[in-house]
Amino acid sequence: DAGVTQSPTHLIKTRGQQVTLRCSPKSGHDTVSWYQQALGQEPQFIFQYYEEEERQRGNFPDRFSGHQFPNYSSELNVNALLLGDSALYLCASSLGRSNQETQYFGPGTRLLVL
Amino acid sequence: AQSVTQLGSHVSVSEGALVLLRCNYSSSVPPYLFWYVQYPNQGLQLLLKYTTGATLVKGINGFEAEFKKSETSFHLTKPSAHMSDAAEYFCAVSEGGSYIPTFGRGTSLIVHP
Repeated sequence: DAGVTQSPTHLIKTRGQQVTLRCSPKSGHDTVSWYQQALGQEPQFIFQYYEEEERQRGNFPDRFSGHQFPNYSSELNVNALLLGDSALYLCASSLGRSNQETQYFGPGTRLLVL
Repeated sequence: AQSVTQLGSHVSVSEGALVLLRCNYSSSVPPYLFWYVQYPNQGLQLLLKYTTGATLVKGINGFEAEFKKSETSFHLTKPSAHMSDAAEYFCAVSEGGSYIPTFGRGTSLIVHP
């Protein structure tokens, strides 16, 4: 049973560019959350998708957008990249609507913006 | 609003010694509480969680935590540290109706031989 997978593992972009990160949830999971973890910091919640809709959003600008597909996989898009967007981007999947459900995290995508 | 405070950004112990990582929370409603571990260059792994019921929660790798409402604490312990326990540990809280945990700043556990 595959866990949460993310691609790519590493990415280098320059300021002003756009980036798309991808996440496949754990088998059977229908909810995907995205987090940004700057170096040496705690994860910060970006948004969560359930049934192909954004269910909740953290304190991130509109440059950060996402999508969930019918197979529950998800994409995170970041436009007009800034140096401060350099971070580890974590995807987590879970099952259903309850916040008692365990979130399973992927290994992350490390983004470096130059 | 919910928040989490982890006391000590770094904790150093000898192999075989007791591990104690401290976590205090603030929540306006009964919280759900979590401990996650993160090894270098990896994602987060859930160690244990408290939602309702028994206040002493046992997790993986010999860790346990006790929910103390009167102290608003959820400290993580392990009787005997192993070298493989060296990692970053995050305490997190979520409130009923919120699907999202708020993480503390993390505690780096260092284990000396």
